Amino acid sequence: GAVVSQHPSWVICKSGTSVKIECRSLDFQATTMFWYRQFPKQSLMLMATSNEGSKATYEQGVEKDKFLINHASLTLSTLTVTSAHPEDSSFYICSAPDRGNEQYFGPGTRLTVT
Amino acid sequence: AQSVTQPDIHITVSEGASLELRCNYSYGATPYLFWYVQSPGQGLQLLLKYFSGDTLVQGIKGFEAEFKRSQSSFNLRKPSVHWSDAAEYFCAVGARYGNKLVFGAGTILRVKS
Repeated sequence: GAVVSQHPSWVICKSGTSVKIECRSLDFQATTMFWYRQFPKQSLMLMATSNEGSKATYEQGVEKDKFLINHASLTLSTLTVTSAHPEDSSFYICSAPDRGNEQYFGPGTRLTVT
Repeated sequence: AQSVTQPDIHITVSEGASLELRCNYSYGATPYLFWYVQSPGQGLQLLLKYFSGDTLVQGIKGFEAEFKRSQSSFNLRKPSVHWSDAAEYFCAVGARYGNKLVFGAGTILRVKS
């Protein structure tokens, strides 16, 4: 089946720095990708919809200047957490639907901000 | 507002016993419903999905779910649980296939031998 990868799988960064997370669709093209955030023992919450060739659509309450999303190509979307703070520590998951609208999830990226 | 409720945070069943995980949804239109399983270090895996047709849906790994519109429920079942089924299970609702999803809080399944 189709595969979505994320890189890195885990990252530790210092407060105030920025970190970039990549989401790639490995064997299909995705004009849309979704970014979710999962706090420990909680559900996945949609942060934004990444659109190839246009601006991302952010959910209410998500700071677009803090969580920068770039859909660089039909197989790559990146999420950059700018000026990270400890409260940004979380598990970030992306998903991408293929042409048949079958949706595939990445394995997630664990971000820890110290 | 769209929402999904999974009332059971944890469930423990004996290996070989039957399983039912509950899911209730609130959605303004006809919902697309999904069940996913999440194992540590792995991405969410789709177990089954439903939009229309037969209200009893068969999925992978021996799972099935029944859509009950009158109860706004989409409960997941398995007749005989295996130790490898221990994981976290998420119910989700969306506007269509391939669209963004609203997830329930998840149910952690523990299987005792």
